[in-house]
Amino acid sequence: KAGVTQTPRYLIKTRGQQVTLSCSPISGHRSVSWYQQTPGQGLQFLFEYFSETQRNKGNFPGRFSGRQFSNSRSEMNVSTLELGDSALYLCASSWQEGRATEAFFGQGTRLTVV
Amino acid sequence: SQKIEQNSEALNIQEGKTATLTCNYTNYSPAYLQWYRQDPGRGPVFLLLIRENEKEKRKERLKVTFDTTLKQSLFHITASQPADSATYLCALVGYSSASKIIFGSGTRLSIRP
Repeated sequence: KAGVTQTPRYLIKTRGQQVTLSCSPISGHRSVSWYQQTPGQGLQFLFEYFSETQRNKGNFPGRFSGRQFSNSRSEMNVSTLELGDSALYLCASSWQEGRATEAFFGQGTRLTVV
Repeated sequence: SQKIEQNSEALNIQEGKTATLTCNYTNYSPAYLQWYRQDPGRGPVFLLLIRENEKEKRKERLKVTFDTTLKQSLFHITASQPADSATYLCALVGYSSASKIIFGSGTRLSIRP
């Protein structure tokens, strides 16, 4: 079956703009999590959605937001972009909310803010 | 605050030897510990999960140990191959279904022929 799909793969934005990233989980998976990965900070948790509800949120400013649709697809939005938001944004899906199952990651969206 | 440390940023091993990666954590009592592999430009790929009441888990050439007293996990790759070269991440998961997964910064493993 198809893996986790993230679009777009690459994105260049200007400071102050906003951006929306998309994630389509594996069919049947209802949990979607978002992560930011940078060389200095590693993989940092942004938020998790399960059945259209945000279940958990990391320590990021309110400029970072997300949502999940009834088909489990998820979007992440970053407003008022800053240079420091340049990173690889990864989405991961799993079939249940619990933690004893593996997370399947997409290839990520590489965001560059100039 | 919760902290995860992976023993080193980079590890170079001769092909055929056993590679051992370390993951230490503080201020946390995880229910599960996971190991992932990440290749450049790609998302992490799940390798193994071990529960807090399990001491050891094996999968082919991979072995993971989990010592909740030492607050440490060891990840071993036996008979290492150049294709095993990648960054390996450990991740901790709490008991609550609402707990987030916390990742370590990773160890970049290079296997030289």
